[in-house]
Amino acid sequence: GENVEQHPSTLSVQEGDSAVIKCTYSDSASNYFPWYKQELGKRPQLIIDIRSNVGEKKDQRIAVTLNKTAKHFSLHITETQPEDSAVYFCAVHRNFNKFYFGSGTKLNVKP
Amino acid sequence: DAGVTQSPTHLIKTRGQQVTLRCSPKSGHDTVSWYQQALGQGPQFIFQYYEEEERQRGNFPDRFSGHQFPNYSSELNVNALLLGDSALYLCASSLGTQGRSAQHFGDGTRLSIL
Repeated sequence: GENVEQHPSTLSVQEGDSAVIKCTYSDSASNYFPWYKQELGKRPQLIIDIRSNVGEKKDQRIAVTLNKTAKHFSLHITETQPEDSAVYFCAVHRNFNKFYFGSGTKLNVKP
Repeated sequence: DAGVTQSPTHLIKTRGQQVTLRCSPKSGHDTVSWYQQALGQGPQFIFQYYEEEERQRGNFPDRFSGHQFPNYSSELNVNALLLGDSALYLCASSLGTQGRSAQHFGDGTRLSIL
């Protein structure tokens, strides 16, 4: 199966600073990489995704970069706000809609 | 546009019992995947249903089984419940099986085993 490692497990930043979360994967056949935000007691919500034929994607304050050669992808959040505080999960799609999730990063944005 | 809905929201069972969880996919989606999320961990893939058949399976024992109905809704059944089965069970729906459509999650069913 796919091995997805996510770092760091916890991240604390000051409001307005940037946050970066990184995931590495093992299977070079993986082709789709979504990021989910999960607030306490709520469902994971898709915040951004990237496909293997693209190196970078941006949506307002959120961006994702993908390095297929090195098999890692990163979530970048700029100008962080307290409402960005949550657990963030990366996921890797290998084939047939089978997704493997990272272990999560708890982001705390201090006002 | 209705999103993914799951029922029940909470459930308490005792060891050895059986449980059935239900999921209705987002409108327009035909594929349903089930995940188990233990406290403080990422979702773990259980299995996926497409065209009423189990298409993919994660590393879960046969005590975990499922079904998909012609209207694309799905059930997750767990037999002979163990304490370790206590978790949040998430259903996610998508369109097709080729990863071309993002997965959308329901709110989950929190299962507690006493």
